[in-house]
Amino acid sequence: GNSVTQMEGPVTLSEEAFLTINCTYTATGYPSLFWYVQYPGEGLQLLLKATKADDKGSNKGFEATYRKETTSFHLEKGSVQVSDSAVYFCALSATNTGNQFYFGTGTSLTVIP
Amino acid sequence: DSGVTQTPKHLITATGQRVTLRCSPRSGDLSVYWYQQSLDQGLQFLIQYYNGEERAKGNILERFSAQQFPDLHSELNLSSLELGDSALYFCASSVSGLADTYEQYFGPGTRLTVT
Repeated sequence: GNSVTQMEGPVTLSEEAFLTINCTYTATGYPSLFWYVQYPGEGLQLLLKATKADDKGSNKGFEATYRKETTSFHLEKGSVQVSDSAVYFCALSATNTGNQFYFGTGTSLTVIP
Repeated sequence: DSGVTQTPKHLITATGQRVTLRCSPRSGDLSVYWYQQSLDQGLQFLIQYYNGEERAKGNILERFSAQQFPDLHSELNLSSLELGDSALYFCASSVSGLADTYEQYFGPGTRLTVT
């Protein structure tokens, strides 16, 4: 079956620190992979995506590379800001399962000045 | 603001009752998705509609049902409510029915509390 495992939080970093949030997946077929971000009191917003192996998604300084060999899609940012404090969700979607989205449990990030 | 609206914002009801959550997708979006977010289960996909037809089904209980109307708004009906149904319910919309091709835009959610 399809599933996503992402690193447990919460994560607390100082401003300008390097961020990595690990995400691994299990999927039958060839999924597309996503990172969504949820700011306090809001719905989820797409942060970045990759639709095939070796693709790199990037947005707002965040990056993630679709690694088929390690079934991973780790989220990275070189220098976090206080405004990056949010919950980050890794997700996959596979057309062979009717386009369902499978989300990880979310990783809460707090950036302190 | 994503352009997706959900009503009501908060709902408090008793066990055994029935409620209806409403979602209006972004203008031009044909697909609507429903999700349940709870502390113990995380974010779970419930069901997807595309242009009025059911397109995909996830972990939706038999006590729950949904539909999408000709004007493309959608309703999620939850009946025989249990304490464990307390959660945030999100609606999302996208242009296409292909979830992996087009971004999903999420509404602000409806917080349901069952007492």
